[in-house]
Amino acid sequence: GESVGLHLPTLSVQEGDNSIINCAYSNSASDYFIWYKQESGKGPQFIIDIRSNMDKRQGQRVTVLLNKTVKHLSLQIAATQPGDSAVYFCADSKTSYDKVIFGPGTSLSVIP
Amino acid sequence: DTAVSQTPKYLVTQMGNDKSIKCEQNLGHDTMYWYKQDSKKFLKIMFSYNNKELIINETVPNRFSPKSPDKAHLNLHINSLELGDSAVYFCASSKTEVYNEKLFFGSGTQLSVL
Repeated sequence: GESVGLHLPTLSVQEGDNSIINCAYSNSASDYFIWYKQESGKGPQFIIDIRSNMDKRQGQRVTVLLNKTVKHLSLQIAATQPGDSAVYFCADSKTSYDKVIFGPGTSLSVIP
Repeated sequence: DTAVSQTPKYLVTQMGNDKSIKCEQNLGHDTMYWYKQDSKKFLKIMFSYNNKELIINETVPNRFSPKSPDKAHLNLHINSLELGDSAVYFCASSKTEVYNEKLFFGSGTQLSVL
């Protein structure tokens, strides 16, 4: 969905703590979900993805959870590090052939 | 070697001018994209090309004209620049249009129209 007149949501966490970034999606037909990380001055970078037939997927220090009932996606970052400071975007698409729609980002700040 | 490279990184120009942004990818991908990111960080697709053919064309003013001379290049030309065109423009690529989920982005071109 589009961000209309909203400030970028921010999340501040202490270094070493776990971070949870949330995302709501609107299209119940969405089949594929992705998280991207955008560091300052750089383009977004793929982190992890999940298909609608799964509810959890783990990567290195990151876990994505999908709750299709309430159309909610979350990204968990374990033992957050200063290098994790960035804007995080969730994105979704209906099928592999459909364009990817980005949600509004969340800015994560890690406090040393 | 940079996978997706775009030039210039910064572009400052006057209203009414015409400017181009270039993009090249060395990943061997078939599909390339242009995204626009506004001041609130909202990221929106503008165009997508698959093997030099236009496959996605969002509601973008026709002052914006993409050109793909080959599948490794996708340039963006903007005519009669307006203040509202100020944004960061990102080029991206993906392996094929089937796997459009995993996008590889360039580092962006910050366009400022004065």
